[in-house]
Amino acid sequence: AQTVTQSQPEMSVQEAETVTLSCTYDTSESDYYLFWYKQPPSRQMILVIRQEAYKQQNATENRFSVNFQKAAKSFSLKISDSQLGDAAMYFCAYWWYNNNDMRFGAGTRLTVKP
Amino acid sequence: NAGVTQTPKFQVLKTGQSMTLQCAQDMNHNSMYWYRQDPGMGLRLIYYSASEGTTDKGEVPNGYNVSRLNKREFSLRLESAAPSQTSVYFCASSGRGGRETQYFGPGTRLLVL
Repeated sequence: AQTVTQSQPEMSVQEAETVTLSCTYDTSESDYYLFWYKQPPSRQMILVIRQEAYKQQNATENRFSVNFQKAAKSFSLKISDSQLGDAAMYFCAYWWYNNNDMRFGAGTRLTVKP
Repeated sequence: NAGVTQTPKFQVLKTGQSMTLQCAQDMNHNSMYWYRQDPGMGLRLIYYSASEGTTDKGEVPNGYNVSRLNKREFSLRLESAAPSQTSVYFCASSGRGGRETQYFGPGTRLLVL
């Protein structure tokens, strides 16, 4: 079964600095999608960024970018110029074409210090 | 445009009671999902509906049933609640399958005593 591992339960960053959250996954498939979702204290899950496995180019969304290493099965999220509003739980997730199962990691709690 | 709505927001049940969690979306999405979130864990998929009239089991379907009532609504039923079902339940929807962005509801916090 596909598994998603986030090895950092908690991370902290100074406002305006850069932080990288790690994610690894286990799969034998070649076509799949990877996601980073953010869950602020309001509990509302919001998509941060999405990566299609067949695309070699790393996805970017404004201050958020990923480092997708397919061979290493690694999918890290980089947040540049961190803002107080970035403080949240961040979940890495995996979805595979032939399986309806979306797998989430256990999450990383990000604190942003002013 | 409300997005994904869930009712109720919070519920307390006694062991053995039944209840239905309601979910509705107004984005004309084909796919809908039910997840549960437990402390220290990510979301786990309970059931999935690719389109109106179809449902599939996810990672943790035992103890739950679902109904895709129409394109907008997807309900989750606990027939005989157990303390292990104490959790936060999220409904989500996407345009077409899990490859697309999922939009989540605000969650239902369920406590089973």
